[in-house]
Amino acid sequence: AQTVTQSQPEMSVQEAETVTLSCTYDTSESDYYLFWYKQPPSRQMILVIRQEAYKQQNATENRFSVNFQKAAKSFSLKISDSQLGDAAMYFCAYHTQGGSEKLVFGKGMKLTVNP
Amino acid sequence: KAGVTQTPRYLIKTRGQQVTLSCSPISGHRSVSWYQQTPGQGLQFLFEYFSETQRNKGNFPGRFSGRQFSNSRSEMNVSTLELGDSALYLCASSLIPGFSNQPQHFGDGTRLSIL
Repeated sequence: AQTVTQSQPEMSVQEAETVTLSCTYDTSESDYYLFWYKQPPSRQMILVIRQEAYKQQNATENRFSVNFQKAAKSFSLKISDSQLGDAAMYFCAYHTQGGSEKLVFGKGMKLTVNP
Repeated sequence: KAGVTQTPRYLIKTRGQQVTLSCSPISGHRSVSWYQQTPGQGLQFLFEYFSETQRNKGNFPGRFSGRQFSNSRSEMNVSTLELGDSALYLCASSLIPGFSNQPQHFGDGTRLSIL
């Protein structure tokens, strides 16, 4: 079974600075998808960024980028120029390719952005 | 385009009762998945529906059930409620299952409290 581990339960960053959130996963599959979701106090899970395992190029979305190391099964999220609105719970998630829509989530990490 | 709509937003029940939660997916989305979120266990997959059929089920007791209607709206039911069922229940929809380039979109969840 796939597992996702987020080892840091909490982090803080100063506004305008850069922060990296770590995530590791375990799978025997060769093709899959990885996601970072953000959950603000409003509770809605918002997709931040996704990475397809067969693509070697790291995904980027504006201020958000990932460092995907397939061999190490590592999938970290870098947030540049942090903003107060980035404060939220961040979840790393794994998605099996094909068939099921089941997402396997990590425990999450609370990010605080200090003004 | 309206997002995923979950009703009710909050619900208070007592042990032994049953409850039904509703989820209306984004227009055109045909796959609906349900997740339970608790502080201790994090986000756990409950089940997934597509074309009124349950395609996948998580590791939850039979007290947890669901269904999907022809308009893709879904309901989940929990019978004989236990204190441990207190959680945020999240619904997610996607166009069709098995294609993760079309990621899941989440609703705001239903907060269920058991007294």
